[in-house]
Amino acid sequence: QSALTQPASVSGSPGQSITISCTGTNIDIGRYNLVSWYQQYPGKVPKVIIYEDVQRPSGVSNRFSASKSGNTASLTISGLQAEDEADYYCCTYGGSAIFWVFGGGTKLTVL
Amino acid sequence: QVQLQESGPGLVNPSQTLSLTCSVSGDSINDGSYWWTWIRQFPGKGLEWLGYIYYSGSAWYRPSLRGRLAMSIDTSNNQFSLKLSSVTAADTAMYYCARAIYKNGVVVISFDVWGQGTMVTVSS
Repeated sequence: QSALTQPASVSGSPGQSITISCTGTNIDIGRYNLVSWYQQYPGKVPKVIIYEDVQRPSGVSNRFSASKSGNTASLTISGLQAEDEADYYCCTYGGSAIFWVFGGGTKLTVL
Repeated sequence: QVQLQESGPGLVNPSQTLSLTCSVSGDSINDGSYWWTWIRQFPGKGLEWLGYIYYSGSAWYRPSLRGRLAMSIDTSNNQFSLKLSSVTAADTAMYYCARAIYKNGVVVISFDVWGQGTMVTVSS
């Protein structure tokens, strides 16, 4: 059982925006500004697309944005494209008792 | 650019020790800006952080694996390793090595470079 809760799947049509939530607790997401998000295509390696809650690495499309409120982090993808179809994982630090934890992953389908 | 490559046996017998090595190219493992990390992904797709090691040899492990997990680092050969003992079928997974950014020498903020992964199956 994952420490962070994500919806198993989300879907959207090209051009639309979708949001993926990631719910933790006050000892992980709620305590540290260390939420990161990873995009993974089938059979490929995870790629970081957001770090430190809202920061976007160089080279990542600005269609990807993130936010956090309390114990819930969110990833928003705007202007959906077919190439965005992938699995998305949230991750955060949870202190020395658990260190780093991932969400169970969300499969994004572009209709 | 930096590349990481895992190596090790793809099949391990139950109760034996799983040993993997990650070779780093394009960057010195002595760079104090990073922690060198192991992450695994189960066949059902869930990701699990196993631990990381610093160039100095300091390491942090997933609490639930303490006692079974050990990491080491070989700065002369620019590689780091993982040993997981007493494996069971539950340890069957894709094992990735990754680089963790250590911002300002204070906090790890993300896993920015990953190896291609190596699939390890625990079975007799």
